[in-house]
Order: sequence, then structure tokens, then C-alpha cells
Amino acid sequence: AQKVTQAQTEISVVEKEDVTLDCVYETRDTTYYLFWYKQPPSGELVFLIRRNSFDEQNEISGRYSWNFQKSTSSFNFTITASQVVDSAVYFCALSEASTSGTYKYIFGTGTRLKVLA
Amino acid sequence: EAEVAQSPRYKITEKSQAVAFWCDPISGHATLYWYRQILGQGPELLVQFQDESVVDDSQLPKDRFSAERLKGVDSTLKIQPAELGDSAMYLCASSLEEVSLRFFGQGTRLTVV
Repeated sequence: AQKVTQAQTEISVVEKEDVTLDCVYETRDTTYYLFWYKQPPSGELVFLIRRNSFDEQNEISGRYSWNFQKSTSSFNFTITASQVVDSAVYFCALSEASTSGTYKYIFGTGTRLKVLA
Repeated sequence: EAEVAQSPRYKITEKSQAVAFWCDPISGHATLYWYRQILGQGPELLVQFQDESVVDDSQLPKDRFSAERLKGVDSTLKIQPAELGDSAMYLCASSLEEVSLRFFGQGTRLTVV
């Protein structure tokens, strides 16, 4: 069955430290998408990145980088030189076709990141 | 910048009362989703619309929850009667089509007392 595990419930770092958020997924399909969303205190889920299962190329976007490894079913997210504004709950999600033909997002339980000044 | 609009932002209601949430998706987005997010957990899909039709409501507690999208644009999610366990954040999302990226609104935080 499809599943997303974010083992880190909460992480606290001091501003300017690097931090990595872990995500491990389970799926039977060969075609799927992985996502990271950020949820600040205001509540909305802000899209950060989407990768498809055929693209294992790692990506860097400013202070954000993502490490996708199919061999370990992991899609980890690193923030370099963290800032207080990075404080939020971060969700990893998996999307694949369901038996009914629809595409479902399966979210992890989230990792709360606190960046201290 | 286009966004998904939801109202109200916060709602406190007594148990056994009726409550309704409204969502206006990004213009042109055919697919609309309602999610429920319990504190400390990730969002879970309640219902998915393609235009005005329900394509997935397998996780919707149909004895008390109902959802509609009559003209294929905005949508309403209703709970009647509300129970204490319904306290959660209710998030609406939309996408151009099902396989497209989903954009989320700010949610309605419901507290049932």
C-alpha cells in the first residue's frame, strides 16, 4: 500500500544552520509523483517542488535542495542557511493512480521546523 | 496572483449544529478537492469534483457530510450535525486537471464545542 513516512516530528535549529527533512515513501507503481509542501501558521499549503518517478536528478533552488533516491525510496529536503521565516510544518506527499483511476495525494504526518533567532 | 479562496477562516460551533464552508477555486480549474486535516496530521481527501460531478467521495462520512459544486465553479461542504471529532482544518484545493499541481486555500479551522 502507498505510504509516506516523515519520522521527524519536530526539528529545532538555530538561524543559519542547515537542516534536512527526511521523507520515505512506499508505492507499488513505477509511475508516481513526489511533492513537498510548506504549511506556515496561516494555514495554507504552499507548493515547493514536484518530482516524477522517472526523474532522479537532484535539484537546487536558492536555499532549498532535494535529494531523490529511488533505491532507498527517499525524497529528502534540505534548507541551507535556515532563516526564521522557514519556520513551518513541512509535508511530503506521494501521488499515484488509484484503483478507481483517480490520482490521490498521500501526505506524511509533517515535520515541524522551528528556526530560532 | 490567483488563489483558492475559502470562507470563513475560523468557525466555532456547538455540537449537533449545522456548519457550512465555502470554496472558490482558481478560475478555470476543473478539479476541486476538499481535505480534512486533523491537528498533527497530514491532509486527507474527503471529496473530489471534476467540474460539477463527484469523482471520489469514498472517505466522506456521508451520514453527516455533504458537498456540492452545482455550477462546476465554487463549492460548499456541509456538516450536519457537527460532532466534537469534526474539529479540524478543512482545506480546499483546485487544479487544472487531475494530474496537474494542486493549489490549496488557507483553510477553515473548525472547532466544535
